[in-house]
Amino acid sequence: GEDVEQSLFLSVREGDSSVINCTYTDSSSTYLYWYKQEPGAGLQLLTYIFSNMDMKQDQRLTVLLNKKDKHLSLRIADTQTGDSAIYFCAETSLIAGNMLTFGGGTRLMVKP
Amino acid sequence: NAGVTQTPKFQVLKTGQSMTLQCAQDMNHNSMYWYRQDPGMGLRLIYYSASEGTTDKGEVPNGYNVSRLNKREFSLRLESAAPSQTSVYFCASSEMGTDTQYFGPGTRLTVL
Repeated sequence: GEDVEQSLFLSVREGDSSVINCTYTDSSSTYLYWYKQEPGAGLQLLTYIFSNMDMKQDQRLTVLLNKKDKHLSLRIADTQTGDSAIYFCAETSLIAGNMLTFGGGTRLMVKP
Repeated sequence: NAGVTQTPKFQVLKTGQSMTLQCAQDMNHNSMYWYRQDPGMGLRLIYYSASEGTTDKGEVPNGYNVSRLNKREFSLRLESAAPSQTSVYFCASSEMGTDTQYFGPGTRLTVL
């Protein structure tokens, strides 16, 4: 099946930028998503990008998509302790019948 | 507008017991989903219901059954629980024709 991969862990200092990376294998991806999961909570949709775009900015969040390399990143500017969470990359595609395929999640720890 | 709600929040079962996880959404969405989340594996789709009256298997359906009771409610049943079904279960919903899914807060299930 199609794969979505993320690194497991990222640690940054408060005020720095965080960059969370994701790679995927499905060349027919239609949308790519970033979800945030705080401890003990469900998944909160942060942002998404259509596969024919290469960048999307939403306040402190910047999503970059390199379709050729099948690489997606989420940049969080001025990272705060409240940004500490697990971040999931996910994609939908024509092959998967528009079902979401998730990466394993990246745990972001923000140190004061 | 509560979004997607799930009950119970926590459950402990003994091997062989049965139980039903409940999910309801008040967003008038056509499509609903059940996922399980295991450490380092992201979310995996168990079953989904594209519209009222239909259900289909996802990636990991074995050991589960579902019922789309009406447009609002989608339940997940474990007939004979096994320790391998210890997980966090998330329900989600989306509008037909869109890929963006909205998640409930999850049910943490432990099978002893």
